[in-house]
Amino acid sequence: DGGITQSPKYLFRKEGQNVTLSCEQNLNHDAMYWYRQDPGQGLRLIYYSQIVNDFQKGDIAEGYSVSREKKESFPLTVTSAQKNPTAFYLCASSEQLTRNNEQFFGPGTRLTVL
Amino acid sequence: GQSLEQPSEVTAVEGAIVQINCTYQTSGFYGLSWYQQHDGGAPTFLSYNALDGLEETGRFSSFLSRSDSYGYLLLQELQMKDSASYFCASRGGNYGGSQGNLIFGKGTKLSVKP
Repeated sequence: DGGITQSPKYLFRKEGQNVTLSCEQNLNHDAMYWYRQDPGQGLRLIYYSQIVNDFQKGDIAEGYSVSREKKESFPLTVTSAQKNPTAFYLCASSEQLTRNNEQFFGPGTRLTVL
Repeated sequence: GQSLEQPSEVTAVEGAIVQINCTYQTSGFYGLSWYQQHDGGAPTFLSYNALDGLEETGRFSSFLSRSDSYGYLLLQELQMKDSASYFCASRGGNYGGSQGNLIFGKGTKLSVKP
């Protein structure tokens, strides 16, 4: 079955530590995205990548970093510079030029900073 | 700026019809999409309108009026499982690429009561 996987589902981190969230897709999509969701809020774009070895900052990129070395994988690192990292993180993918704005989302990772 | 506005909460009873409105302001316009998200889950794509009018998919319909920068999602024959958050999303112009990335509203939490 094609889809997007994210791991882990729950992640706990101490202040001052970097942590990497995994995102893998086997949909053969060129574009991948990372969103952050806070309670009662919509999805805010952190980073996106339209092609391998290229990525761009979204609205809230400060304190985050990404890489796109393979088409299937788009890991997100939450660095210690991110002031308020506790949130629900969603990874998505899509065809590069979608006809209907459809993005496919992974199950999410809930990050809690202790 | 680019924004989408929708009500924060809506309550309805099982079997009823509910309409969730969305007004948008984007520098360009490439259609209005709707996503459903159950608590703790991943958003899933529901519908897309590129042109004015009504699109029907089973119990769900979506409407767009580009002249009014307005759309809505109509849910008929409500079921308990329809309790979820519903997000409208639009692709703004030239934001991050030739088509731009998706911008999401903050979501409408629908509660279906017995």
